[in-house]
Amino acid sequence: GAGVSQSPRYKVAKRGQDVALRCDPISGHVSLFWYQQALGQGPEFLTYFQNEAQLDKSGLPSDRFFAERPEGSVSTLKIQRTQQEDSAVYLCASSLGGINEQFFGPGTRLTVL
Amino acid sequence: DQQVKQNSPSLSVQEGRISILNCDYTNSMFDYFLWYKKYPAEGPTFLISISSIKDKNEDGRFTVFLNKSAKHLSLHIVPSQPGDSAVYFCAAGYNNNDMRFGAGTRLTVKP
Repeated sequence: GAGVSQSPRYKVAKRGQDVALRCDPISGHVSLFWYQQALGQGPEFLTYFQNEAQLDKSGLPSDRFFAERPEGSVSTLKIQRTQQEDSAVYLCASSLGGINEQFFGPGTRLTVL
Repeated sequence: DQQVKQNSPSLSVQEGRISILNCDYTNSMFDYFLWYKKYPAEGPTFLISISSIKDKNEDGRFTVFLNKSAKHLSLHIVPSQPGDSAVYFCAAGYNNNDMRFGAGTRLTVKP
């Protein structure tokens, strides 16, 4: 596709359940980013990949959050034992790297009951 | 630690007038600044950017101004159109690998 895609668009999970969120970046984009956006806030950086290497995971809020990009293309953000405070929109973005704008996907809205 | 701040949560302007959205930052390491526009249920869309070596960048109706000494940037939209109504996010980073976003300003342009 022409843009960044994310799936699922909406996810409802029971507290304690594990979830996996998928991101398909723009083909050829080296850099991939995950953000968490709470209601009424701007996107908060979670983690960053350059190709398959996770170069920065300083924004991951706890060890329940794990991201991977094994072949340098599709990425998955996994949240284990979800909690209510994990409810947010999770945005994925990709870029050519360096000083280039990031292109965002539509996000996955996660609701933890 | 909020390194990028948008102190106005909302702004309302009349169609045809100028919209000015403001953003302040605290980290002097930031060397690249962007504005994103977001409609409901969509991801943010890149609008315009400026690097720290410039103080102005213009693209059609959109102009971004950067005041490094004040650590302040602004987005001017002129003339404003109803289709510009959206949430606007300011973002700042260095090497585009560690971007920080403001909380956003909701712009409403009234016909």
